[in-house]
Amino acid sequence: NFMLTQPHSVSESPGKTVTISCTRSSGSIASNYVQWYQQRPGSSPTTVIYEDNQRPSGVPDRFSGSIDSSSNSASLTISGLKTEDEADYYCQSYDSSNQVFGGGTKLTVL
Amino acid sequence: EVQLVESGGGLVKPGGSLRLSCAASGFTFSSYSMNWVRQAPGKGLEWVSSISSSSSYIYYADSVKGRFTISRDNAKNSLYLQMNSLRAEDTAVYYCASGSYNDYWGQGTLVTVSS
Repeated sequence: NFMLTQPHSVSESPGKTVTISCTRSSGSIASNYVQWYQQRPGSSPTTVIYEDNQRPSGVPDRFSGSIDSSSNSASLTISGLKTEDEADYYCQSYDSSNQVFGGGTKLTVL
Repeated sequence: EVQLVESGGGLVKPGGSLRLSCAASGFTFSSYSMNWVRQAPGKGLEWVSSISSSSSYIYYADSVKGRFTISRDNAKNSLYLQMNSLRAEDTAVYYCASGSYNDYWGQGTLVTVSS
């Protein structure tokens, strides 16, 4: 079993770029695809990145995903921040056939 | 348009049972695996259970194994979660989500376990 660790919170100004990390505790981050979900206050989660770096249709290209084997982590980068990006972000991967979620990161755009 | 609509939540006493449903539309339900994910008040997302498209493969989180049962009816485009022996720590919003990567999510249904 492994855990996915995310920073509790990050903040940045509109127009800037922010990166949220997701570190896998054991096993290789490259072993299983990583997904990222956005959850705005009072709303259901939506997918912003799947299969490490793929964007669903309708998700702006300001959102990008990557993995780094050297740090055994995945990252979600949001460029050109907008106030509407303020939300909780969760990474998710698989441990065999079980899903594992990170604890979530609260992004504040101020 | 893909729609997932959960129902069946409510207030139940510890030790009680509840059956959640998720009605799917806008996609070929029988071709996709389905999942239940929950979120306790003010907390993060927690995977609960998954079922393959033909119900051949079923998986549960350790926290619910032996108490919850996932099932589906492809003829009715519906997903279910039978929850027995409920505990206070099962209190959460329960979401159904489609596909291996939780492509689409429902609006959730609140389950409150309290005496």
